[in-house]
Amino acid sequence: DADVTQTPRNRITKTGKRIMLECSQTKGHDRMYWYRQDPGLGLQLIYYSFDVKDINKGEISDGYSVSRQAQAKFSLSLESAIPNQTALYFCATSDFRVNYGYTFGSGTRLTVV
Amino acid sequence: GQQLNQSPQSMFIQEGEDVSMNCTSSSIFNTWLWYKQDPGEGPVLLIALYKAGELTSNGRLTAQFGITRKDSFLNISASIPSDVGIYFCAGSATGGSQGNLIFGKGTKLSVKP
Repeated sequence: DADVTQTPRNRITKTGKRIMLECSQTKGHDRMYWYRQDPGLGLQLIYYSFDVKDINKGEISDGYSVSRQAQAKFSLSLESAIPNQTALYFCATSDFRVNYGYTFGSGTRLTVV
Repeated sequence: GQQLNQSPQSMFIQEGEDVSMNCTSSSIFNTWLWYKQDPGEGPVLLIALYKAGELTSNGRLTAQFGITRKDSFLNISASIPSDVGIYFCAGSATGGSQGNLIFGKGTKLSVKP
């Protein structure tokens, strides 16, 4: 099994629908992150969590919310999806020693029509 | 906020050629990391650098932490078709347990057999 698992891998949804993307990890890391990737824009941080009781906004949090249900689970929600949220979404984890880098999931490709 | 400038944005090379790409920041970084993203997958850590002037290799890949601590370089020697993908630099300004990683926008590498 992968260290960081994202579900679903692909999703098509309609404008205005609520959708949840899920992430679970077996690394035992305390920190978890959600990133969005658009072509040519690199990785943009949406939300991050340093432990279960800690949630922080990233650079593009508007229109998104998150829930850290357990150390191993971090979900991203789009309350009312819009077409410009069509993108590739990545979950990542790290331990408190951020110098060791992040471990990424395989991504969720979301299309909002 | 802090930004990373990664160049070039894209490269089209012949198999066997050497590749160079770099990242510069507007502020001093304590950690530089290089990631590769294969099509349809999440980024995977290639090389991590922790000291100014550090030169580290991983097979045909060599990366350097610039002396000024504001830049980093990645070189790939004798490229092969499986080197295709997007290469991201990432840096941490505060290091240790405090800082999140900041990502460059990526260099897309295409290799012609």
